[in-house]
Amino acid sequence: SQTIHQWPATLVQPVGSPLSLECTVEGTSNPNLYWYRQAAGRGLQLLFYSVGIGQISSEVPQNLSASRPQDRQFILSSKKLLLSDSGFYLCAWSLRQGARVDTQYFGPGTRLLVL
Amino acid sequence: AQKVTQAQTEISVVEKEDVTLDCVYETRDTTYYLFWYKQPPSGELVFLIRRNSFDEQNEISGRYSWNFQKSTSSFNFTITASQVVDSAVYFCALIAYGQNFVFGPGTRLSVLP
Repeated sequence: SQTIHQWPATLVQPVGSPLSLECTVEGTSNPNLYWYRQAAGRGLQLLFYSVGIGQISSEVPQNLSASRPQDRQFILSSKKLLLSDSGFYLCAWSLRQGARVDTQYFGPGTRLLVL
Repeated sequence: AQKVTQAQTEISVVEKEDVTLDCVYETRDTTYYLFWYKQPPSGELVFLIRRNSFDEQNEISGRYSWNFQKSTSSFNFTITASQVVDSAVYFCALIAYGQNFVFGPGTRLSVLP
């Protein structure tokens, strides 16, 4: 069966510090991968998605970036965090399909607080 | 543009009551997929159901049932005999070919003992 891991589970960082969140998927090959952010009490916002190694699509302009160095690894980064980057970050995967309409399965999430 | 509306921000019910969560969507695509996810206090989104636009059959899974009506662009979710463990935020979502997932704002369900 497939599983998706995210770490760290919780992170408190000062404004201006760098960020690296990691997501890995097990039990499947060539998945589509996604990063979402959920602000407190709000819905989900798609940040990035990837259909393959090194292929990243950005949905929202911001100071965050994403990378996919390996097939089942997806990393969310920032060089300098802003207060507005606080939130709950969710990684998701779906089967590799060109149209990206398959079910997305989510990881446990990372709670980020920027002070 | 695609849009998902969940007009109920918060719902509170007493255990064993039935509760229906509403979802209304907008899309110009003729082929699309609708989803429901559950987000318990732990935060992880749990997939509940996926329905394509050509399948309007209602579905029942245990205490859960879903009513898909294309005529009213609705995909409502009913929990029968609610339990405290059903307390969570529930998201309805829509996706069409070549598009990204569009999530509704969510409905927070509180089931009181």
